[in-house]
Amino acid sequence: KQEVTQIPAALSVPEGENLVLNCSFTDSAIYNLQWFRQDPGKGLTSLLLIQSSQREQTSGRLNASLDKSSGRSTLYIAASQPGDSATYLCALRGGSYIPTFGRGTSLIVHP
Amino acid sequence: EAQVTQNPRYLITVTGKKLTVTCSQNMNHEYMSWYRQDPGLGLRQIYYSMNVEVTDKGDVPEGYKVSRKEKRNFPLILESPSPNQTSLYFCASSLYSQALPSGGSTWVQYFGPGTRLTVT
Repeated sequence: KQEVTQIPAALSVPEGENLVLNCSFTDSAIYNLQWFRQDPGKGLTSLLLIQSSQREQTSGRLNASLDKSSGRSTLYIAASQPGDSATYLCALRGGSYIPTFGRGTSLIVHP
Repeated sequence: EAQVTQNPRYLITVTGKKLTVTCSQNMNHEYMSWYRQDPGLGLRQIYYSMNVEVTDKGDVPEGYKVSRKEKRNFPLILESPSPNQTSLYFCASSLYSQALPSGGSTWVQYFGPGTRLTVT
């Protein structure tokens, strides 16, 4: 069964730092991997989706990479801002229609 | 505006009193699903539906029912709620397969705002 681990569980950084959030998984037979942002008390907002055949995706200050052979994905956030404070979740979809979520990284960016 | 809506957003109820949480999407998505989110456990899928009248169990279906009579709606039913069903619930929808401009297809989930349920 697929297991997804996100490290670190929590992160607090000063504004302006470049960040790397990690997502590791045990089964490389994935269909795609999706990064979400969740604000307190709110739903999930999709940030980036990487297909199994892709290596990375970029959107603004965000860059997500995928390395199936090592079972890792990273979300890179450039020049972090206080508005980036949220919980970041990765989710993998394999052969079934039941995606597996990591437990998230809680990020605080302080001014 | 494309969206997934859930109602109610907050609900406090008592053990054994049947309740329904509604979910509706306006994107004509075939695939819909329900998740619960608990501290330390992350998001776990309860049920999913591939299309009208097609539903299947996720990872934690015990104590829940769903129905998919219309494409846009996917209600979650708790026939006899118990305190261990206190949780934050999310509905999500997606196209079964979205064609990419570059070829191939993808599968992107859109989430509702969540329903915080407390069972006493």
